[in-house]
Amino acid sequence: GALVYQYPRRTICKSGTSMRMECQAVGFQATSVAWYRQSPQKTFELIALSTVNSAIKYEQNFTQEKFPISHPNLSFSSMTVLNAYLEDRGLYLCGARETGGAETLYFGSGTRLTVL
Amino acid sequence: QQKVQQSPESLIVPEGGMASLNCTFSDRNSQYFWWYRQHSGEGPKALMSIFSNGDKKEGRFTAHLNKASLHVSLHIKDSQPSDSALYFCAVDMGYKLTFGTGTSLLVDP
Repeated sequence: GALVYQYPRRTICKSGTSMRMECQAVGFQATSVAWYRQSPQKTFELIALSTVNSAIKYEQNFTQEKFPISHPNLSFSSMTVLNAYLEDRGLYLCGARETGGAETLYFGSGTRLTVL
Repeated sequence: QQKVQQSPESLIVPEGGMASLNCTFSDRNSQYFWWYRQHSGEGPKALMSIFSNGDKKEGRFTAHLNKASLHVSLHIKDSQPSDSALYFCAVDMGYKLTFGTGTSLLVDP
């Protein structure tokens, strides 16, 4: 079956430092990868959408300078949170699917970021 | 910009009862709709999708879509304690999913 693994599951970093999270798709081709942040209130914010061989599209309020993303092949993506501060806390979720609309978006278990 | 609202925010139903979750969206061009379930400590998992107006049944779960009224719902029959989770509707515009605000369901054994 289709699975998405995310790591690390949890990370703690000091304010102003950076951390990288990774996402691995197994059992399908992750043509499209979406990175979301889930707030403590459980709402989802889309950070960016990446399609292999296309430019990464960032949503309003999120930038490549702050959340650089790599999507080098059909099974792997990574995102870094640069200069993390308190407002960056949350559960970062990677969702991947084979093509565009109408295909299931498979999620990993997320990386929970705590900033001290 | 697409807005997706869910109601109620939280819901308690007895074991064996019916849970009804509602979702409204704002963009009339929306085509595909999903229901996701998220258990504590996990990422969301797709429960079912619906693309056409009317009902779609998968086991104990029935989704209903009415595009004209910008409304989609999920009904869970014979609710089980294992159904206790966060439920999100998501509107799929073909390139990205916009998630709703979520409903927390508790099935009381």
